[in-house]
Amino acid sequence: TAGITQAPTSQILAAGRSMTLRCTQDMRHNAMYWYRQDLGLGLRLIHYSNTAGTTGKGEVPDGYSVSRANTDDFPLTLASAVPSQTSVYFCASSETSGESNEQFFGPGTRLTVL
Amino acid sequence: GQNIDQPTEMTATEGAIVQINCTYQTSGFNGLFWYQQHAGEAPTFLSYNVLDGLEEKGRFSSFLSRSKGYSYLLLKELQMKDSASYLCAVSESNYQLIWGAGTKLIIKP
Repeated sequence: TAGITQAPTSQILAAGRSMTLRCTQDMRHNAMYWYRQDLGLGLRLIHYSNTAGTTGKGEVPDGYSVSRANTDDFPLTLASAVPSQTSVYFCASSETSGESNEQFFGPGTRLTVL
Repeated sequence: GQNIDQPTEMTATEGAIVQINCTYQTSGFNGLFWYQQHAGEAPTFLSYNVLDGLEEKGRFSSFLSRSKGYSYLLLKELQMKDSASYLCAVSESNYQLIWGAGTKLIIKP
């Protein structure tokens, strides 16, 4: 079982360009999440989806958009990248969005915006 | 406001015991998680506490005091492979997780 896969592994992007980070899970989990992780800060939630067809904003949603057309895929789009979006991005999933639900993480995408 | 505090870095010796503390102030509480993250890798689940007390799982134990807004992760018989960052996260009223910045644990031989 692959669990959660993310693509690309890393990317260097020119400021102003758009990019979509891909995330796919094969565990049939209902809930999915996008986080960014920056040095000295905790993981910060960008967007989430409690079930296919629904999405919500997290702590730092500005400059990012998501869609959840089906259970397995949860892409994150940067419409016009800025240097402050340089970060490591983790996609995660959990069986549901409720109590005690362990989140499983993908391997991450390291993004550098120049 | 919401806040989770953990020490930035700790050093311990192989074979010893180390306790990593986490204090929190959040709007609502639905449990506390500990995750392990090796450098350059994804976080992986270690433990979950929702009731006060100690949960033991092999060499790792996690403690929670809801009245004090306090948790700790206890690692026994330290091994070199335990060198990693340990992340504390609190599940809030809406079940979203608020994460601490993590504690980098360095194990010396």
